[in-house]
Order: sequence, then C-alpha cells, then structure tokens
Amino acid sequence: GIQVEQSPPDLILQEGANSTLRCNFSDSVNNLQWFHQNPWGQLINLFYIPSGTKQNGRLSATTVATERYSLLYISSSQTTDSGVYFCAVDSLNNDMRFGAGTRLTVKP
Amino acid sequence: DAMVIQNPRYQVTQFGKPVTLSCSQTLNHNVMYWYQQKSSQAPKLLFHYYDKDFNNEADTPDNFQSRRPNTSFCFLDIRSPGLGDAAMYLCATSGGLDRGYYGYTFGSGTRLTVV
Repeated sequence: GIQVEQSPPDLILQEGANSTLRCNFSDSVNNLQWFHQNPWGQLINLFYIPSGTKQNGRLSATTVATERYSLLYISSSQTTDSGVYFCAVDSLNNDMRFGAGTRLTVKP
Repeated sequence: DAMVIQNPRYQVTQFGKPVTLSCSQTLNHNVMYWYQQKSSQAPKLLFHYYDKDFNNEADTPDNFQSRRPNTSFCFLDIRSPGLGDAAMYLCATSGGLDRGYYGYTFGSGTRLTVV
C-alpha cells in the first residue's frame, strides 16, 4: 500500500515563529488532507489539497503531486497551534492512510 | 449542521464482553470508515463501506466486525475486547469518487477503555 512519511516528528517553537511541515508519499494520490488533532482527539480538517496551493489565515499548504510531497506552512505560530498534525493520503481505493504525524509544541 | 456523530464519547467495557460503537452521519455520504487510534500513534484503517459493500483491511483482526444497516448509520462491533483493544475509535465519511469527492469528515471519536 501507499506509504506516507512526515517530518519532522517533533517540533518546538516559540510563539510568533514560522514553521514548515513536510509530507512525502510513495504513489499517486487521489486525495491528500492535512489534519490537526486537538487534545480531545478530534481530527480537524485543515486542507483538502490533492494538488496546488491553498491558504486559510495563518495556514497554507502546497502539494506537488508530480514530486509526491506536500508542505504545510504555519506562520506567526500561537500556543493554540500546539498538537499533532497529520498528513493523510488516499489512492483510488477509498483507503486513506495517515502519516505518523508531527507533534508541534508552541511555547509562550 | 451536517456532521458525523459518534456515540458514546467514552465507553468502558469488561474484558471479553461484546461492545458496539455507533456512528451516524447527516452528510449523505456513501462511504463510511472506521479507524483505530492508539495512544501516540496515527489512526489505522480497520474497514470501510462503499454503499453496502464491505471492505476489510487485511490486517484487521476477526474480533472486529461492522454493520451498516442504512446510509446514515454504521456500527463497530468488538466481539471479545482485549486489553490491547483500548483505543480511540474514529468514524469518517466521504462522498466517494462518484459524488464530487471533497475529502474525509471525521467524528469526534469514541474512547474505549477495557477493564
């Protein structure tokens, strides 16, 4: 099956700093999503981005499907951005697979 | 608001006692999924329904079963829970490729404790 790798596994930032999270995947994908998992376990959809670039406030994402990677940018980070960020991909088989996640800690 | 609802939010069950987790959706999505997430791990796909067609992952234990009586509801049955089955169980839906695919929507999850 498709493999998903995320880096870095852990990231510690000071409030106000910018960061880039990376997701590499091993095959062509029909879907790619970035999620933020809050402390209560809820997976919050950040972006549905199988290709191209999207922005939502301080967050933006870019997927280069031909090179099989996606980037999530967080600008001016806030303590509320802390949590685990997952990249998940779906081929044509309705079987979305998650990467291992990046655990982000933003310190005040 | 259209959403994916999981009940209960927390479930405690006894070792070996069958337990059922439920998921409902108001999105009219034709695909429903169950994921298992253990502590500090990524969610792992157990199985999914595409309409009425059941699709089991190869490494999902036989102890886990699922039912989808209609479009809106899907159930996860654990026939004989073991201590290793304690986890967060996440339900998700998607519209599928034939309905204008817009990605997956997740419920809030059910945290299962086995005692």
